[in-house]
Amino acid sequence: DTGVSQDPRHKITKRGQNVTFRCDPISEHNRLYWYRQTLGQGPEFLTYFQNEAQLEKSRLLSDRFSAERPKGSFSTLEIQRTEQGDSAMYLCASSPTPSAHTIYFGEGSWLTVV
Amino acid sequence: GNSVTQMEGPVTLSEEAFLTINCTYTATGYPSLFWYVQYPGEGLQLLLKATKADDKGSNKGFEATYRKETTSFHLEKGSVQVSDSAVYFCALIAHLSAGGTSYGKLTFGQGTILTVHP
Repeated sequence: DTGVSQDPRHKITKRGQNVTFRCDPISEHNRLYWYRQTLGQGPEFLTYFQNEAQLEKSRLLSDRFSAERPKGSFSTLEIQRTEQGDSAMYLCASSPTPSAHTIYFGEGSWLTVV
Repeated sequence: GNSVTQMEGPVTLSEEAFLTINCTYTATGYPSLFWYVQYPGEGLQLLLKATKADDKGSNKGFEATYRKETTSFHLEKGSVQVSDSAVYFCALIAHLSAGGTSYGKLTFGQGTILTVHP
């Protein structure tokens, strides 16, 4: 068990560019979550996968954001046409079914849009 | 909707002092309550949890009791150490039925920065 892994850990991009983050959950965890955390705030839920199915998306996830989990293992979060307001830490987490309480977070991917 | 309110920080204490970080919540359904800790440069770690009223969660000397009547889940520790310096987040998952389970859609408070000096 190597924990939830996220890549890259840090990304600086120019406004208008696209960025993609990858998350590798703990093996055999079929639930995967993305959260966003801005400075001085708690994490906010973005989206949730059960295996490869995306079952819920927050209103925070605008049309420029897309998340996938094509084979029910790793997941990607893509942000198109980045804006300065997208600067935040993007956290991935995973949990096994049926436990809703055993949620493991990765170390996060910091995005800075300049 | 669901929300969590934490006492504003930062909190600065001397080593061996008593710690209280207040947390109150608003939730539909039957919430489970959590405290997460985030050390500098690291991800969130679950510190403790309580899944029903009057439950007490405890871990590493930290405790919190689920108080339904006051909708609170205050974090306490009798004697803090320098190594406890971190950001602490109160959070909840709202279940639709008592004893029910749901996926891990956490609602977090804004976090409280704790700094402990030697």
